Amino acid sequence: SYELTQPPSVSVSPGQTASITCSGDKLGDKYACWYQQKPGQSPVLVIYQDTKRPSGIPERFSGSNSGNTATLTISGTQAMDEAEYYCQAWDSNTAVFGGGTKLTVL
Amino acid sequence: QITLKESGPTLVKPTQTLTLTCTFSGFSLRTSGVGVGWIRQPPGKALEWLALIYWDDDKWYRPSLKSRLTITKDTSKNQVVLTMTNMDPVDTGTYYCAHRLSGGGWGFDYWGQGTLVTVSS
Repeated sequence: SYELTQPPSVSVSPGQTASITCSGDKLGDKYACWYQQKPGQSPVLVIYQDTKRPSGIPERFSGSNSGNTATLTISGTQAMDEAEYYCQAWDSNTAVFGGGTKLTVL
Repeated sequence: QITLKESGPTLVKPTQTLTLTCTFSGFSLRTSGVGVGWIRQPPGKALEWLALIYWDDDKWYRPSLKSRLTITKDTSKNQVVLTMTNMDPVDTGTYYCAHRLSGGGWGFDYWGQGTLVTVSS
């Protein structure tokens, strides 16, 4: 079965750029999505089709996907961006989620 | 606007069957391209996709749980129902339903609030 691998944690200082990676076999041949989940809340889609932002998602969130790695980049990270982030891809009409990355803003 | 809400039992016993209902508004499962999926999250753990049903009644399941899952839709009631048989304590977690559009890398763009299901005798 297809697997997506994320680092368990990433730390960033306020105002700096955070990058969260997601690795999977030939992931660049698929579309990647990213979700933000804060404690006690439902996930929120922040990136779809590798690079697109849903309405209402700040411009500081961006995505890329090439080779075996998709990357979520948060520019000018704010304290409110501290959350768990999950990547997701589609493999033969089944959805696969990564294990999640805890982003800490300190 | 699009909303989804999960409902069902909060406590089930091992070996029992779980039935969860997702009631939605703001879209129709008669509309081409529309789908509703179920995703769960064990306490403190990652999201895990379970099943997906589309407007044309196409259905997809998590391969490792396919034998235990059934997803159906009632377009007249704007509901999607997930049943999971032979529940086990490891199935404890928050169960979400979510909307997506088929094809082209669309994600799950609207989520319900989730419902916590505990499996215990």
